[in-house]
Amino acid sequence: GNSVTQMEGPVTLSEEAFLTINCTYTATGYPSLFWYVQYPGEGLQLLLKATKADDKGSNKGFEATYRKETTSFHLEKGSVQVSDSAVYFCALSDQAGTALIFGKGTTLSVSS
Amino acid sequence: GAVVSQHPSRVICKSGTSVKIECRSLDFQATTMFWYRQFPKQSLMLMATSNEGSKATYEQGVEKDKFLINHASLTLSTLTVTSAHPEDSSFYICSANGGAGSTDTQYFGPGTRLTVL
Repeated sequence: GNSVTQMEGPVTLSEEAFLTINCTYTATGYPSLFWYVQYPGEGLQLLLKATKADDKGSNKGFEATYRKETTSFHLEKGSVQVSDSAVYFCALSDQAGTALIFGKGTTLSVSS
Repeated sequence: GAVVSQHPSRVICKSGTSVKIECRSLDFQATTMFWYRQFPKQSLMLMATSNEGSKATYEQGVEKDKFLINHASLTLSTLTVTSAHPEDSSFYICSANGGAGSTDTQYFGPGTRLTVL
């Protein structure tokens, strides 16, 4: 079945450091890929998405490129801020209108 | 746009009682809503898919008689936890597909923290 695998956390970085959170997936066909962020005490917010191979999703300085050859959708940011501290979830949808399949989430902690 | 609300945000109840959680899409119509459960420091697990005007589809292992789902309109789905027990304590999150031209994007409610004493 379809699945999403994320790197284990927590990830601890200093402000302005480079961030990479790895995400790989297993799916038949051509899923849509997403990154969601959950700030402390809040619900999930869509961070970015990509719907086809080689698409790059970007938002708030975060980027992720849909790599079909490596079945990956790694999240990157060039310079993290303390306010980026949150839990990040990689997810896929194998068909429009269906439920998402989530990775386990990666906790990011950024210190000043 | 594409805002989903949940009510209540927190609820504490006694064992054996029932609790209803509402999920509303505020600025769009959602023919399909989803209910997830999130355990501490873990991922979201899909419980059921709620379709407007029809019965919900439950994931394997989810008791449909315990977690009653009603999707009465295009903007409202409810989850009722019946005869709640301490093991039902969790964070329940709903989501809806929608927003203009975004049928493949889900928008999440802020979640409901249920504590059963």
